[in-house]
Amino acid sequence: GENVEQHPSTLSVQEGDSAVIKCTYSDSASNYFPWYKQELGKRPQLIIDIRSNVGEKKDQRIAVTLNKTAKHFSLHITETQPEDSAVYFCAASKASYDKVIFGPGTSLSVIP
Amino acid sequence: KAGVTQTPRYLIKTRGQQVTLSCSPISGHRSVSWYQQTPGQGLQFLFEYFSETQRNKGNFPGRFSGRQFSNSRSEMNVSTLELGDSALYLCASSPRERSETQYFGPGTRLLVL
Repeated sequence: GENVEQHPSTLSVQEGDSAVIKCTYSDSASNYFPWYKQELGKRPQLIIDIRSNVGEKKDQRIAVTLNKTAKHFSLHITETQPEDSAVYFCAASKASYDKVIFGPGTSLSVIP
Repeated sequence: KAGVTQTPRYLIKTRGQQVTLSCSPISGHRSVSWYQQTPGQGLQFLFEYFSETQRNKGNFPGRFSGRQFSNSRSEMNVSTLELGDSALYLCASSPRERSETQYFGPGTRLLVL
């Protein structure tokens, strides 16, 4: 079955710097890659997603890139702010009816 | 629309007991997935229900089961509880058949003593 790896497990950056989180997946049939943010004590929330027919997607300070050949995708956060501090999960799934498999998470700390 | 709700929010049980957790999806959502979240393990997929049928299942023992009702509300049951079952149990609903964008509930925190 699908396996999703995520690195690093923890990341600390200075406010204003960029943060990059990388994920790899095992099933080449996967075609949907969402990213979820979970603040301390709160539920995970979708922040951005990308499908396999797109190489890059941006939403303000957040961008995601996908390399289907290498089977990896990355989350880029620019101009980080303290409120970006949270655990970030990448995930992957195939077409309809398939389960979503999450990576183990990255704990991001933005130091003011 | 109201968000995904889960009851109870907190639960304390002892080993050997069983527990039932409930999840009410967003109105109109037909897919409900369940996850176990523990420190260091991330979100482990338990199962997914769609139109009262289990569509996908994760790698958990048979002690973990679930069901979905005609109004899309879902329950999960854990029998013969073990200490290692202590975790945050999250459910998530999706609007369509595809398990893509998921909206999570607040979770039920289960402590097994």
